[in-house]
Amino acid sequence: DQQVKQNSPSLSVQEGRISILNCDYTNSMFDYFLWYKKYPAEGPTFLISISSIKDKNEDGRFTVFLNKSAKHLSLHIVPSQPGDSAVYFCAASGITGANSKLTFGKGITLSVRP
Amino acid sequence: SAVISQKPSRDICQRGTSLTIQCQVDSQVTMMFWYRQQPGQSLTLIATANQGSEATYESGFVIDKFPISRPNLTFSTLTVSNMSPEDSSIYLCSVNGRGHYGYTFGSGTRLTVV
Repeated sequence: DQQVKQNSPSLSVQEGRISILNCDYTNSMFDYFLWYKKYPAEGPTFLISISSIKDKNEDGRFTVFLNKSAKHLSLHIVPSQPGDSAVYFCAASGITGANSKLTFGKGITLSVRP
Repeated sequence: SAVISQKPSRDICQRGTSLTIQCQVDSQVTMMFWYRQQPGQSLTLIATANQGSEATYESGFVIDKFPISRPNLTFSTLTVSNMSPEDSSIYLCSVNGRGHYGYTFGSGTRLTVV
């Protein structure tokens, strides 16, 4: 059972435009949501996160939105740059017990066209 | 955040053999995590390794197949035993530096079993 779903495997965006990466989850015990970025031949690197008590978190060009009622979060990148081309993983975790481990989605491959 | 050195970066192995993957962290950490990413799939937690105790394995993973060592607070190994082509994956180690927001990953080991 996939508890974190990234239903779109890929996204292509023109440089300078907005990239919107979506993620859905099914476990209502998740309290923290994270986005990781992965380049080929490298491990994932932490990008941005959001706690369930917030609905928005912004860090420079990156903003994550959380809609708890819909169990949906999205990552907005504005403006998109060619260097943003990578695989983006959505991850979630709870506070205690089995939910405290990170659960990842399958990832979205973002391509930013110059 | 912690810096992780993981090796080998890639290997091609014969079925029935074993491969040991090493992770060295530049600081002492309590827990180290081992993940697997099969082609087209999400990162899946294999086990959590604590220094001085046996690793805790996730459902679907067993110690005989994936023995783990954790001899000190900066080092861990994962062995993939009696390999089959289905074990072809990327294997990653990770540490938790500053709560959920500080998960750092090694660069990964791309394993191909032929």
